[in-house]
Amino acid sequence: AQSVTQLDSQVPVFEEAPVELRCNYSSSVSVYLFWYVQYPNQGLQLLLKYLSGSTLVKGINGFEAEFNKSQTSFHLRKPSVHISDTAEYFCAVSDGDSNYQLIWGAGTKLIIKP
Amino acid sequence: DTGVSQDPRHKITKRGQNVTFRCDPISEHNRLYWYRQTLGQGPEFLTYFQNEAQLEKSRLLSDRFSAERPKGSFSTLEIQRTEQGDSAMYLCASSLGEGFNQYFGPGTRLTVT
Repeated sequence: AQSVTQLDSQVPVFEEAPVELRCNYSSSVSVYLFWYVQYPNQGLQLLLKYLSGSTLVKGINGFEAEFNKSQTSFHLRKPSVHISDTAEYFCAVSDGDSNYQLIWGAGTKLIIKP
Repeated sequence: DTGVSQDPRHKITKRGQNVTFRCDPISEHNRLYWYRQTLGQGPEFLTYFQNEAQLEKSRLLSDRFSAERPKGSFSTLEIQRTEQGDSAMYLCASSLGEGFNQYFGPGTRLTVT
C-alpha cells in the first residue's frame, strides 16, 4: 500500500530565508503527488500538484516542488518565506488505481521566526 | 463560489451517543470525500461518493460509521455509539470529476467525553 513520509514535524526558519519541506513516498508504478497547506483555523488548500510532464511544479504563493522518481521524493521549496507562510503543510499521494483516494503524510509545521 | 461547508463546526457529545455531521460540497462537484484527522496526523481517507453512489467504503473505521449522499448533493456522516477514540476532526472535500483538485471544508471537530 502507498505511504507518505514527511521527515520533519516542524521546520523553524527565519523570515526571508529559503525553506525546503521534505516528502518521500513508497514506490509505485505511476503516482500523482500533491502539497496542501492548512493555515491556522482554516481548511486545507491545494498548493500544487504533479500529475505528469515537467518534474518541477510551480504552485501558489511562490512555492514549487520537484518530483524525483529515483528518490521517490517530492520536496517543497520556497526561496524566501514570509510570516504569512506560517502554516502546516501536508504532502499527499494518489496512485491513480485507487479512484484518487489521497494518502497523506503527517504534516510539517512551518514556523517563521522574525 | 461558496466553497465546501460543514455543519456543525464543533460537536461535544457523551460516549455512547450518536452524532451526525453534514457536508455541503461545491454545487457542481460530483465527487465528495470524507476524511478523519487526529492531532499530529494527516487526514485519513474514510469514504467517497460519485454523485449518490458510495464507491468506496471499506476504509470506514468500523460498522458504527456510515455515510450517505441521497440526492448526490449534500452528504451526512453518522457515528453511532460514539467512543472516546472517535474524537477527531472530520473533514469533507469535493471535486469535479477525478479527484485531483479536492476542495476541503473547514471540518467538524468532535469531542467525545
